[in-house]
Amino acid sequence: SYELTQPPSVSVSPGQTASITCSGDKLGEKYACWYQQKAGQSPVLVIYQDNKRPSGIPERFSGSNSGNTATLTISGTQAMDEADYYCQAWDSSTYVFGTGTKVTVL
Amino acid sequence: EVQLVESGGGLVQPGGSLRLSCAASGFTFSSYWMSWVRQAPGKGLEWVANIKQDGSEKYYVDSVKGRFTISRDSAKNSLYLQMNSLRAEDTAVYYCAREVRVAGTFFDYWGQGTLVTVSS
Repeated sequence: SYELTQPPSVSVSPGQTASITCSGDKLGEKYACWYQQKAGQSPVLVIYQDNKRPSGIPERFSGSNSGNTATLTISGTQAMDEADYYCQAWDSSTYVFGTGTKVTVL
Repeated sequence: EVQLVESGGGLVQPGGSLRLSCAASGFTFSSYWMSWVRQAPGKGLEWVANIKQDGSEKYYVDSVKGRFTISRDSAKNSLYLQMNSLRAEDTAVYYCAREVRVAGTFFDYWGQGTLVTVSS
């Protein structure tokens, strides 16, 4: 079965840039999306189709996808961005989620 | 405003059954594929099952095949998950989610979730 791997944690200082990777075999040939999940809340879509932002998602969230890796970048990270982030792709008629990354804003 | 409201969770013994419901509003329910996604305590997200707009196609993760059944009622704008032969490993928050089926399928709206605990 298809797998997506993320680093367990990423730490970032306020105002700096956080990059979260998502690795999977030939992931660049699929579309990737990203969800943010704050503690005790439901997931929220922040990036879809590799690099598109849903309405209401701040411009500091951006995405890319090439080769075997998709990347979520948070520019000018704010304290409110502290959360778990999950990548997701579609493979063989099933949804596959990444292992999740906890972003800590120090 | 799109709203998805799950209900039906609770404590159940191993081997027992539970039926989850998801009430949808704010959009044309019959136009969308719908999914159930779960999250075990302290763990990541896992897609469980989904169903086509007219109910003619249903898909399941291997671990629940033969035990869970997804269904929908467009007249009631509701999604269901019948869970039988429950196991401890089914303990999780279960989310109802709306699918967007364009290039790069994803979930654009999620419910608040309902907790299922399987324990004796």
